[in-house]
Amino acid sequence: SQTIHQWPATLVQPVGSPLSLECTVEGTSNPNLYWYRQAAGRGLQLLFYSVGIGQISSEVPQNLSASRPQDRQFILSSKKLLLSDSGFYLCAWTSGGIYGYTFGSGTRLTVV
Amino acid sequence: GQQVMQIPQYQHVQEGEDFTTYCNSSTTLSNIQWYKQRPGGHPVFLIQLVKSGEVKKQKRLTFQFGEAKKNSSLHITATQTTDVGTYFCAGRGAFGNEKLTFGTGTRLTIIP
Repeated sequence: SQTIHQWPATLVQPVGSPLSLECTVEGTSNPNLYWYRQAAGRGLQLLFYSVGIGQISSEVPQNLSASRPQDRQFILSSKKLLLSDSGFYLCAWTSGGIYGYTFGSGTRLTVV
Repeated sequence: GQQVMQIPQYQHVQEGEDFTTYCNSSTTLSNIQWYKQRPGGHPVFLIQLVKSGEVKKQKRLTFQFGEAKKNSSLHITATQTTDVGTYFCAGRGAFGNEKLTFGTGTRLTIIP
């Protein structure tokens, strides 16, 4: 069966520090991968998506970046965090087409 | 760009009462999905509707896709405390766009 792993679960980082969040999927190949951010009590904002290794599409220009170094690995990064980067970061995957998204358990990031 | 709105934003109901959330898209959709996010958790896929006028049921939950494929609803009969959470609809564009656009969500709280 397919599983998605996301870590860490919680993170407190100072302003200006770097960020690296990792997401891996098991049990499938060539998944479509997504990074979402959810502010407290708000909806889901799509940040990046990838349909293959090295293929990254950005939805929102900001100080975040994403990379897909392997087929089932998706990384969200920042060189210098801002206070506004705080939120709940969710990774998701789908096999594409008409299938639903499977979300990871998320990372709660607080920038202080 | 495509926008998906949900109403109401919040709903408080007595346990045992019914609940309905409505989803409206600015454009025609190829399909619509529904997700549930428990407090502190991540969104979980519930169902997908594809056909115009389609109605699907999952126990006490009834999902409907509008005839024009621009709106959808989720109705819960006789709510229980386990129904607490935020319900999101998510629509995929009419031309097979892989990305989902998530609605703004409806947060349901149950008064015991």
